[in-house]
Amino acid sequence: EIVMTQSPATLSVSPGERVTLSCRASQGVRSNLAWYQQRPGQAPRLLIYGASTRATGIPARFSGSGSGTEFTLTINSLQSEDFAVYHCQQYSNWPRTFGQGTKVEIK
Amino acid sequence: QVQLQESGPGLVKPSETLSLTCTVSGDSISSYYWTWMRQPAGKGLEWIGRISARGNTDYSPSLKSRVTMSIDTSKNQFSLELNSVTAADTAMYFCARENWYFDFWGRGTLVTVSS
Repeated sequence: EIVMTQSPATLSVSPGERVTLSCRASQGVRSNLAWYQQRPGQAPRLLIYGASTRATGIPARFSGSGSGTEFTLTINSLQSEDFAVYHCQQYSNWPRTFGQGTKVEIK
Repeated sequence: QVQLQESGPGLVKPSETLSLTCTVSGDSISSYYWTWMRQPAGKGLEWIGRISARGNTDYSPSLKSRVTMSIDTSKNQFSLELNSVTAADTAMYFCARENWYFDFWGRGTLVTVSS
């Protein structure tokens, strides 16, 4: 099973700042990597797939990069609705696996 | 817009079987794979397994011995059964559509395992 490791566990930031979240795979997953946003009490929402393609309706301030084992999610000019938990997920191998999540909280 | 809705008992006794159903609207269940995932409180997401309209299934190796998924295309529903549950199975359970990644999700249903 591919282990996905996200860092940091928590990020404390102010609105308007830029944040970068990291996700590392224990073995290469090519570009088969997705990012999800999960607000409290809600289901995850697909943000990015194919490591860098924004899903329908996702604002341009969200961007993804990377391939192989190292990936990043960048959020430019953080808005109030962006404070949430972010999960990465690989769909290269079975079983599908997720990282433990990075919580972006208000500083 | 594709919508998914989980339903089923919120409380299950230890050693019994957890049964959940996901109803899909806005899309035919005859396309794609349909997936179950779960999330214990404060923890990460765990993929449980998936089923196609033809009934082809893939399960997580860690849960394979206890999981059964089924599908009813006439009702646009698919279901999860997890037997011999313990407190470790207490979690929010989500159904989702798989398009390699998971592009549409249900809101989730909390299942607590307790006597």
